[in-house]
Amino acid sequence: GAVVSQHPSWVICKSGTSVKIECRSLDFQATTMFWYRQFPKQSLMLMATSNEGSKATYEQGVEKDKFLINHASLTLSTLTVTSAHPEDSSFYICSASFTYGGMYEQYFGPGTRLTVT
Amino acid sequence: AQSVAQPEDQVNVAEGNPLTVKCTYSVSGNPYLFWYVQYPNRGLQFLLKYITGDNLVKGSYGFEAEFNKSQTSFHLKKPSALVSDSALYFCAVSRSNDYKLSFGAGTTVTVRA
Repeated sequence: GAVVSQHPSWVICKSGTSVKIECRSLDFQATTMFWYRQFPKQSLMLMATSNEGSKATYEQGVEKDKFLINHASLTLSTLTVTSAHPEDSSFYICSASFTYGGMYEQYFGPGTRLTVT
Repeated sequence: AQSVAQPEDQVNVAEGNPLTVKCTYSVSGNPYLFWYVQYPNRGLQFLLKYITGDNLVKGSYGFEAEFNKSQTSFHLKKPSALVSDSALYFCAVSRSNDYKLSFGAGTTVTVRA
């Protein structure tokens, strides 16, 4: 199947700093990418939907100025957590999707564990 | 609005026995339904999906799921569980026209040897 990578796989940063997480579709062009966050022992919550070349659409309650999403190309989306605080510590997972012949596919990255100290 | 319910936090079965993980959904319009599995500190692995067609969907690693429109259910099944099936399982739904997934709370499956 198609492969989606995330970098870094884990990161520790100090409170007040910014962290950028990359999501790449390695062998396909993704028309849409999604960003999720997952707290320990909890489900995934959709944060935002990102289409190449346009502004991301954020879910209700997600601060767009705090979680900056850029979808610069059909294979790369980035999530920047600005002025990170300990409560931003979480597991961030991206997914990349495409359609072909009327079919739809969505593939998930391996996730990035962010710890803010 | 769309939502998924996974009524069981945990499912425990003996190796070799049938495994069932329950899922019910709520969505306007035609649903797209998915099952994913997650191992500790890992992303999601796709198991199977229902978009249209045959109500019985066969997926990876011997898993299958049956779409039941009248009961709005999409239960995951495996005839003979393996210890390696022990993991966290998520059911998800999206509307057919926007692909934004809503996940259930997850069910932890433990298969004992």
